Amino acid sequence: ILNVEQSPQSLHVQEGDSTNFTCSFPSSNFYALHWYRWETAKSPEALFVMTLNGDEKKKGRISATLNTKEGYSYLYIKGSQPEDSATYLCAFAHYGGSQGNLIFGKGTKLSVKP
Amino acid sequence: NAGVTQTPKFQVLKTGQSMTLQCAQDMNHNSMYWYRQDPGMGLRLIYYSASEGTTDKGEVPNGYNVSRLNKREFSLRLESAAPSQTSVYFCASRSTGARYTGELFFGEGSRLTVL
Repeated sequence: ILNVEQSPQSLHVQEGDSTNFTCSFPSSNFYALHWYRWETAKSPEALFVMTLNGDEKKKGRISATLNTKEGYSYLYIKGSQPEDSATYLCAFAHYGGSQGNLIFGKGTKLSVKP
Repeated sequence: NAGVTQTPKFQVLKTGQSMTLQCAQDMNHNSMYWYRQDPGMGLRLIYYSASEGTTDKGEVPNGYNVSRLNKREFSLRLESAAPSQTSVYFCASRSTGARYTGELFFGEGSRLTVL
């Protein structure tokens, strides 16, 4: 059974703090790694899709890195703001998986206090 | 920008009742998906449709049926609801030609409670 682990499960930071969290996935047969941002009472929205080992992507204050050989991805938020409060999901796709299936982690819930 | 639209947003059922969750997307995507979200679990795939006219089981298909009515619409039916199907359901779509790399676009979710 393929598993995607995210840590920590939850995180509380002060406004202005920089933070990061981890997504771990099986390193074999890697195809793609997705990050989604999910605000309460809204739908998940894609942040990044990464496919190549060493990929780094950035959107504003949020960036992500990918290490497919060791099976992990980091998501960084620089200078956290209250509006960054959300659950951050990662999802893994692998060769041999069905066309439909991204395997999602349970998410990291970030709370940013003003 | 409607994107992916799900109805209803909330529903309470009694055990044994049936209902259909509706989903429509206006982005001309070929692939559509139904996920469920339960506390302490990641999103789990129920069924998906890679293209109009095709459907396939996901990780947790038991107790559900789906219909890909046309390219825009993908419905999820609970024939005889059970308390274990209490969950938040998300519909999503993705463009073709992006088998794993295309991002998913999600609806706002449907919260279903089965008593």
